Amino acid sequence: NAGVTQTPKFQVLKTGQSMTLQCAQDMNHEYMSWYRQDPGMGLRLIHYSVGAGITDQGEVPNGYNVSRSTTEDFPLRLLSAAPSQTSVYFCASLQRVNTEAFFGQGTRLTVV
Amino acid sequence: KNEVEQSPQNLTAQEGEFITINCSYSVGISALHWLQQHPGGGIVSLFMLSSGKKKHGRLIATINIQEKHSSLHITASHPRDSAVYICAVPGGGSQGNLIFGKGTKLSVKP
Repeated sequence: NAGVTQTPKFQVLKTGQSMTLQCAQDMNHEYMSWYRQDPGMGLRLIHYSVGAGITDQGEVPNGYNVSRSTTEDFPLRLLSAAPSQTSVYFCASLQRVNTEAFFGQGTRLTVV
Repeated sequence: KNEVEQSPQNLTAQEGEFITINCSYSVGISALHWLQQHPGGGIVSLFMLSSGKKKHGRLIATINIQEKHSSLHITASHPRDSAVYICAVPGGGSQGNLIFGKGTKLSVKP
């Protein structure tokens, strides 16, 4: 099993550009989440999904969209990139609440 | 919302030393995660525990549900243990997300 596959690993965007961070898991996990990690802040929740077709906002959702058309995929879209979105992004999945969490390798995004 | 506090923020140790990292949280939980992140690397799960103690190699995690406190211990520390160690708790309800501490950066010198 590949686990959680997150791409790309690195990305540089210009202000105003849009892009999609991909996240896929092959473990049939229902729960998937996107987090951003900033120095001194810890990981913060952007959006999450409890199953295909169901998504909801987390702590810092502004400027991001998600969709969950299949159990496997949970892409994160940046609509119009801003320098404040420079961060490291992680996708995570769990089979059920209170089970082991699996993380993607992370995406280091720089917006100039 | 659960508040997760870790201490210390930074920790430098000599190879072979016994390491303890602490985590406390404000709202009762049913499970707690300990995660490891190497510099520039991804995040891997070390432990998930809901009571008592778990051991994996030189790593030991304990939790006291009543006191809302958990500790991660590393015995006979090694430079390869240098990483950020993160404590996380469930976000509540059936959301399936986690709330994270800010992490403890451990550096083990040879």
